[in-house]
Amino acid sequence: GENVEQHPSTLSVQEGDSAVIKCTYSDSASNYFPWYKQELGKRPQLIIDIRSNVGEKKDQRIAVTLNKTAKHFSLHITETQPEDSAVYFCAANFNKFYFGSGTKLNVKP
Amino acid sequence: SAVISQKPSRDICQRGTSLTIQCQVDSQVTMMFWYRQQPGQSLTLIATANQGSEATYESGFVIDKFPISRPNLTFSTLTVSNMSPEDSSIYLCSVEGREKNHEQFFGPGTRLTVL
Repeated sequence: GENVEQHPSTLSVQEGDSAVIKCTYSDSASNYFPWYKQELGKRPQLIIDIRSNVGEKKDQRIAVTLNKTAKHFSLHITETQPEDSAVYFCAANFNKFYFGSGTKLNVKP
Repeated sequence: SAVISQKPSRDICQRGTSLTIQCQVDSQVTMMFWYRQQPGQSLTLIATANQGSEATYESGFVIDKFPISRPNLTFSTLTVSNMSPEDSSIYLCSVEGREKNHEQFFGPGTRLTVL
């Protein structure tokens, strides 16, 4: 089955800096790659996604890039704010979701 | 996205007992999914619940331990049977988005503590 690895497990940045979280996947058949943000005690929220026929997608301060050849995709958050502090999960989908292990992002004011 | 609710939001149970978690969606959805999130961990798919057929379980999860019902296109239940402290987790249901383009949206979760 699919194997999704996510790095780093924790990330601490200064407010205003950029944050990058990286994921790799193993199954070349995976065709959908969402990113979820989970605040403490809350449900995972879909924040951005990318499909296998696209290399990059942006939504305001967040962007996702996909390299199908290398089987990796990344989440980029620019101009980070304290409210970006949360756990972020990547996932790869082929018939079902396989989640990465999560990255705890701490944005220091 | 669909509006998803779960009951109960949390519960504390004694070992050996069972708990049934309900998931209600405000629109008809073909596929509903049940996940487990152990403390500080990622999400693990337990099973996929399809209306009109038996649930499909992932490796490591069995029907006797996690029976699932899917009586209609807006509702599903997950039962955690014969509980032990190792079952203490957050249980989340999720549904595919209305556009059926792989997006999944999660319910608020049920926080289960087994003593």
